[in-house]
Amino acid sequence: QVQLLESGPGLVKPSETLSLTCTVSGGPVSSGSYYWSWIRQPPGKGLEWIGYIYYSGSTNYNPSLESRVTISLDTSKNQFSLKLSSVTAADTAVYYCARTSVITIFGVVRNNWFDPWGQGTLVTVSS
Amino acid sequence: QSVLTQPPSVSGAPGQRVTISCTGSSSNIGAGYDVHWYQQLPGTAPKLLIYRNNNRPSGVPDRFSGSKSATSASLAITGLQAEDEADYYCQSYDSSLSGSLFGGGTKLTVL
Repeated sequence: QVQLLESGPGLVKPSETLSLTCTVSGGPVSSGSYYWSWIRQPPGKGLEWIGYIYYSGSTNYNPSLESRVTISLDTSKNQFSLKLSSVTAADTAVYYCARTSVITIFGVVRNNWFDPWGQGTLVTVSS
Repeated sequence: QSVLTQPPSVSGAPGQRVTISCTGSSSNIGAGYDVHWYQQLPGTAPKLLIYRNNNRPSGVPDRFSGSKSATSASLAITGLQAEDEADYYCQSYDSSLSGSLFGGGTKLTVL
């Protein structure tokens, strides 16, 4: 069964770039059957979709974060990564990676759900 | 604005039935997009509970069921158990976002 594990620094300074990696085991990220997503959850709050990437390299980001987000894929390491630039305290959250099942209509994603999820990693933005 | 609205909290006694609503709009549920539900036990990652409105992944008890109509969806839990105490989130695709949208979450307390 597929398992995902997030890794990266737990503390990032304001204005710097947050970088996280999700390592996938039990299945290839190069599978055309799934997309790969990042989702975050500020302490005590709800879930926010950040974006996803397809094996082809195509991406889609939450418009509220799009100017600061980059998601990339490394098929040789079976990993995908998140970079979030110019962070502030508002970016403090548990960051999750998740495999994403998708339904497309004429090649455009029109439905998606997340399963499984990684265990999550807390990133704190503070000087 | 793209929003999925859930009640902040619901409660029920062991053995009872509870429902959690998820109200959307014409850019998400009302546009015909599916609704999915997640269970987040304290201190853990969310887990897929219901997908495509009313489908249970393998291993999810049939005490959990989902339904959808017009611009809303519901999660029903029957035979409530102490282990069901968790946060529950609905999620759907939103055409305004061109991406995923989560509800604010509902905390279920088993009395």
